[in-house]
Amino acid sequence: DAGVIQSPRHEVTEMGQEVTLRCKPISGHNSLFWYRQTMMRGLELLIYFNNNVPIDDSGMPEDRFSAKMPNASFSTLKIQPSEPRDSAVYFCASTLSVTVEKLFFGSGTQLSVL
Amino acid sequence: DQQVKQNSPSLSVQEGRISILNCDYTNSMFDYFLWYKKYPAEGPTFLISISSIKDKNEDGRFTVFLNKSAKHLSLHIVPSQPGDSAVYFCAASRYSGNTPLVFGKGTRLSVIA
Repeated sequence: DAGVIQSPRHEVTEMGQEVTLRCKPISGHNSLFWYRQTMMRGLELLIYFNNNVPIDDSGMPEDRFSAKMPNASFSTLKIQPSEPRDSAVYFCASTLSVTVEKLFFGSGTQLSVL
Repeated sequence: DQQVKQNSPSLSVQEGRISILNCDYTNSMFDYFLWYKKYPAEGPTFLISISSIKDKNEDGRFTVFLNKSAKHLSLHIVPSQPGDSAVYFCAASRYSGNTPLVFGKGTRLSVIA
């Protein structure tokens, strides 16, 4: 099993640019989560999907953030326009159900907004 | 408001000694607790968990203790090894409530040879 695959691994962009982060969950998993890691807040949940449907996006910081899951094998997190304070590591994770035994995380995308 | 708190950002321990990582939670509805371990440039990986019906769960060198009255859990690593050096995240959930994990900020453990 390839695990959760995220791309790109690193993204450096300038303030104001659009950023798109991608995630392929583990095949067969029906819940997908986007987390953001910062020194100040640790691992915070941004949004999660169950069976491709967004369930709770209350963690999305602003309207500049949006996430989609067009099918069971792909999700995107978009930031438009990006700002320096968005710099963080963004993780995607998947599991068999929202009520988690364990989450399986991707390796993350290190985002730097200059 | 942080529902899961790890108040020690870092911890240094000598190889062979015990490492104790602490975690507090505020939501009394949480009934399932997990520890994740994260190495640099990798995603967190599951380490050990405990249900609120237990007060201890052991897996090899790793033991998690839960004190429900104090809303406190701890992870013990005995003996500590240099390969244990990582960031450890405490997480909590309502197992039956269809709610996702809530994580703490993490504690960076350094095991010194």
